[in-house]
Amino acid sequence: KAGVTQTPRYLIKTRGQQVTLSCSPISGHRSVSWYQQTPGQGLQFLFEYFSETQRNKGNFPGRFSGRQFSNSRSEMNVSTLELGDSALYLCASSSAWTSGSPEQFFGPGTRLTVL
Amino acid sequence: GENVEQHPSTLSVQEGDSAVIKCTYSDSASNYFPWYKQELGKRPQLIIDIRSNVGEKKDQRIAVTLNKTAKHFSLHITETQPEDSAVYFCAASRMDSSYKLIFGSGTRLLVRP
Repeated sequence: KAGVTQTPRYLIKTRGQQVTLSCSPISGHRSVSWYQQTPGQGLQFLFEYFSETQRNKGNFPGRFSGRQFSNSRSEMNVSTLELGDSALYLCASSSAWTSGSPEQFFGPGTRLTVL
Repeated sequence: GENVEQHPSTLSVQEGDSAVIKCTYSDSASNYFPWYKQELGKRPQLIIDIRSNVGEKKDQRIAVTLNKTAKHFSLHITETQPEDSAVYFCAASRMDSSYKLIFGSGTRLLVRP
C-alpha cells in the first residue's frame, strides 16, 4: 500500500495570509490526525477526523480548522497566519481500533514558513 | 490537563552500550503507549508500542516497560548502533474512539562509533 502523502511539501507565506494543506491517508484508513511540530513545542495534536467528523481537537486557536472528505482525504486550513505558525505540519492515518492495530502512520509533513 | 514528560532531552552513548529513555504521563485513563523514532528530515515511525494490560514488550534490541501505578514507561535499546541515532518520542493515548496522541518532548540519541 502507498503510504500517507501530504501536499505541498513546502510553503512560504506572509503574515495575514491563509493556507490549506492536504493529506491523503493510507488506503482503507478512515482516521486522519494532524500534528504541529516545532523545535520549541515538540509534537502537538491539532485535531482528528473519522468518517468526515471531527472527533477531537487540541488546544489551538480557531484559526486552525480542518475537514475530511468522503474518500478520507483531509485538509487543514490556517487563516490569518502568524509568525509563530511556522512549523512542520504532520498528518497521520490509522485504521479502526477494532482492527487491533492503533498505529498511526505519519506522512512526510508540510514545512510552512511564515514571513 | 494531559501531559507527557520525557527525559533525558539528549543522550550520548558509545556504540554497543544500552540507552534508556523515560516518560511519565498524567492522564490515568491512558492505556496505549507508542514510541516513535524520527531521523533527521524524515517522518516519525513507530518502533514499538505497549498497551496497559502488558508490563513489558520486547522486539529484538528494543524493549518497553510500563508501570501503571507510577504512570511511567521506558524505552530500552540494547547493543546500540550508529543507525540508532535519531530523536525518539514517547506518546500516550486513551484507547477510546479518538486517536489523540500526547507526545513527550523528545530525546535526541547520539550513538558514538
